[in-house]
Amino acid sequence: GDSVTQMEGPVTLSEEAFLTINCTYTATGYPSLFWYVQYPGEGLQLLLKATKADDKGSNKGFEATYRKETTSFHLEKGSVQVSDSAVYFCALHSGGYQKVTFGTGTKLQVIP
Amino acid sequence: DAGVTQSPTHLIKTRGQQVTLRCSPKSGHDTVSWYQQALGQGPQFIFQYYEEEERQRGNFPDRFSGHQFPNYSSELNVNALLLGDSALYLCASTHRSGSGRFGEQFFGPGTRLTVL
Repeated sequence: GDSVTQMEGPVTLSEEAFLTINCTYTATGYPSLFWYVQYPGEGLQLLLKATKADDKGSNKGFEATYRKETTSFHLEKGSVQVSDSAVYFCALHSGGYQKVTFGTGTKLQVIP
Repeated sequence: DAGVTQSPTHLIKTRGQQVTLRCSPKSGHDTVSWYQQALGQGPQFIFQYYEEEERQRGNFPDRFSGHQFPNYSSELNVNALLLGDSALYLCASTHRSGSGRFGEQFFGPGTRLTVL
């Protein structure tokens, strides 16, 4: 079945540092890939997405490229801010209905 | 637009009891999915409702059941609660187009269920 593996957290970075959160997936067919963010006490928000190979999703300075050859969708940001502190989930959707498969999440803490 | 709303925000139950959680989808959305998020874990898909029928189900026992109403709102029912059912329950809504494609999923803030 479908599965998503993302790097263990927590990740602690200083403000303005470079961020990479690794994500790899296993899926049948050609899934759509997502990064969701969950701020403390809140629900999930879609951060970015990519629907086909080589697509790059981007939003709020975050980027991720759909790499079919390595089945990866790593999240990057060039300069993190304290306000980026949250839990980040890599996820995929395949098939006709809307079941989304999530990774276990990576907690990011950015310190001033 | 209120977005996806869920009630209640928090709930405390004891083992063996039954619970009902409620979800109102975002305006214009007709499809509702439910997820269970245990502490420190990613959300796990429970089931999805479209046109008042369960369309897809994850790996959850029959103690978990649901319903969708004509106004597209939905309920999640859990019977015979176990300690392991303690989690954040998330509702997500989307719209299914005439061609059968789904739009972006929007998540509600969740209901925090604690089973003692």
